[in-house]
Formats: sequence, C-alpha cells, structure tokens
Amino acid sequence: AQKVTQAQTEISVVEKEDVTLDCVYETRDTTYYLFWYKQPPSGELVFLIRRNSFDEQNEISGRYSWNFQKSTSSFNFTITASQVVDSAVYFCALSEQGDSSYKLIFGSGTRLLVRP
Amino acid sequence: EPEVTQTPSHQVTQMGQEVILRCVPISNHLYFYWYRQILGQKVEFLVSFYNNEISEKSEIFDDQFSVERPDGSNFTLKIRSTKLEDSAMYFCASSDPVRGPSYEQYFGPGTRLTVT
Repeated sequence: AQKVTQAQTEISVVEKEDVTLDCVYETRDTTYYLFWYKQPPSGELVFLIRRNSFDEQNEISGRYSWNFQKSTSSFNFTITASQVVDSAVYFCALSEQGDSSYKLIFGSGTRLLVRP
Repeated sequence: EPEVTQTPSHQVTQMGQEVILRCVPISNHLYFYWYRQILGQKVEFLVSFYNNEISEKSEIFDDQFSVERPDGSNFTLKIRSTKLEDSAMYFCASSDPVRGPSYEQYFGPGTRLTVT
C-alpha cells in the first residue's frame, strides 16, 4: 500500500539557517511521482516540485533544493538561508502510475516556523 | 495565469443540512478531484472524476457524498446530510489532459465548511 511519512511534525529555525524537511515514501509501483506542496497560513496549496521515479537527479530552484534517493525511498527538501516568508506547512505527496486516478497521497506535513 | 476557483470560501451549516461546494476547474482540464483537510491534519483524497464519471473514490466518500459536472465549467461536491465530522477545508483540483494526470494538480483556494 502506498504511504508517505513526514516524521518531523514541526521545525523551528532562525532566519538564514538552512533547514531540511524529510519525506519517506512506500509504494509497490515502479513508476510513481513525488511532489512537494507548500501551505502558507492563508491555507491554499502551492505546488513546488514534481519528480518521477526515473529521474533521480537532484534539483535546485533558487533557495530550494530536493534530494531524491530511491535506495532509501526518500525525497527530502532543503531550504537554504531560510526567510520568515518560508513559514508554512509543507506536504510531501505521492501518486502512482498503476493508480488510474493518479490521486495524491499526502504525508501529514511538517510545520516550519522561521523566526526573525 | 488560469486558476481553479471555489465558492463559497466559507460555508457554515447546521448538522443534517445539505451543502453544495462549487468549483470551476481550469477550462481545458479533464481530470478533477476533491480532497479534504480536517483542521491541523493532512490532506485526504475524496474522489476523482474523469470523462463524466467517478474514476476512484476513497472510503470517506460514502453515500452522503456525490459529485457532478452539471455543465462544461462547474464541478460540484454535494454532502446530503452533513455531520459535525464533515467540518473541514475542501479542496478542488484539476490536471491538464495534455500533460496527463501524473503531472501537477492545480488546487483551488478551498472552501472551509463548518458544521454546527
């Protein structure tokens, strides 16, 4: 059965610190897709990144970077030089090719608080 | 940029009443979803809809729930007889038929449903 685990419930850092949010997933499919979404205090879900299971290249987008490791079933997210505006709940999610609906299975989220 | 819209933003209803939550997906999208998020918890899949029919539904989506695409633009979620535990944020999402449902799901801003 598919599952996404975000073991860190809440992380608090001081501005300009680097922070890594962990995501571990379980799936039986060989083709699957991993996502990160940000939920700021206003409540909407903001797409950050999508990765397919065949692309293990790490990705960097500005201060954000993602480390996908199939060997450990992890898809971790690092924010470099964090800012107060990064304060939000971050969700990791999984969808599977074998699932006709491609529904997203979300982790429980990590609340990040960046203090000035 | 096209976006998913949802109305109302907040709905308060009494237990046992029927509610209809409305969504307007992005105009050329063909895959539609409803998710819900109980306050402080993770986002949970409710139902997916493609080609004018439900493609998958979760255990949460029991006989009290129904979805409809009454015209070419709206996508609605109806709860026939609301319970206190239906209080949650309900998100509508859609995905691009060209790129496919495994790509980003675009989320609406959500409808906060409060059942009293």
